[in-house]
Amino acid sequence: DAKTTQPPSMDCAEGRAANLPCNHSTISGNEYVYWYRQIHSQGPQYIIHGLKNNETNEMASLIITEDRKSSTLILPHATLRDTAVYYCIVSEHGSGNTGKLIFGQGTTLQVKP
Amino acid sequence: EAGVAQSPRYKIIEKRQSVAFWCNPISGHATLYWYQQILGQGPKLLIQFQNNGVVDDSQLPKDRFSAERLKGVDSTLKIQPAKLEDSAVYLCASSLGPGLGTQYFGPGTRLTVL
Repeated sequence: DAKTTQPPSMDCAEGRAANLPCNHSTISGNEYVYWYRQIHSQGPQYIIHGLKNNETNEMASLIITEDRKSSTLILPHATLRDTAVYYCIVSEHGSGNTGKLIFGQGTTLQVKP
Repeated sequence: EAGVAQSPRYKIIEKRQSVAFWCNPISGHATLYWYQQILGQGPKLLIQFQNNGVVDDSQLPKDRFSAERLKGVDSTLKIQPAKLEDSAVYLCASSLGPGLGTQYFGPGTRLTVL
């Protein structure tokens, strides 16, 4: 079973920031938080991952709480093309681990004009 | 850089028939994954290969599903015989290695079993 909890759906106005929450209260010390998204009829796409520090790349920012029990994915200026299902996943990282991803139901983000 | 290639993109068969899907991962990626995604659900891992060896096939219904990656590059996933509940999108993904972070997914094969 997935170790994360996400709201099933969210709306966001085009051009505004989209903040997608995720709870992972049972995360262990060597597990990273990964975010993927899946646009309709496409395969999932990697967005970002982090361990305990906040991370930013060209697609998004990831904010992880100090106790690591929750995180927020931020899309700073959402566009219609960001409409997708967003998956928050915790997974072990590094040699000796399988890197297995267990997907939950995700959050369906609808960006509206 | 070319992405993960899958074929066919769509397949319609009748129950009890057999079907095979093909995947070509990103060049240099040692780890290959097959996922099943039923409509409305997240992808579920079926099998994971490291080069040509199986790392995890705990969720693969071995009575009807089989997969191979003979030369550590391309892979095929076969279903024989197919059941109605096998209707799903079958996704292939690859990564540089296990536990090395991001997985890159192909577009998937949509299977409809009638």
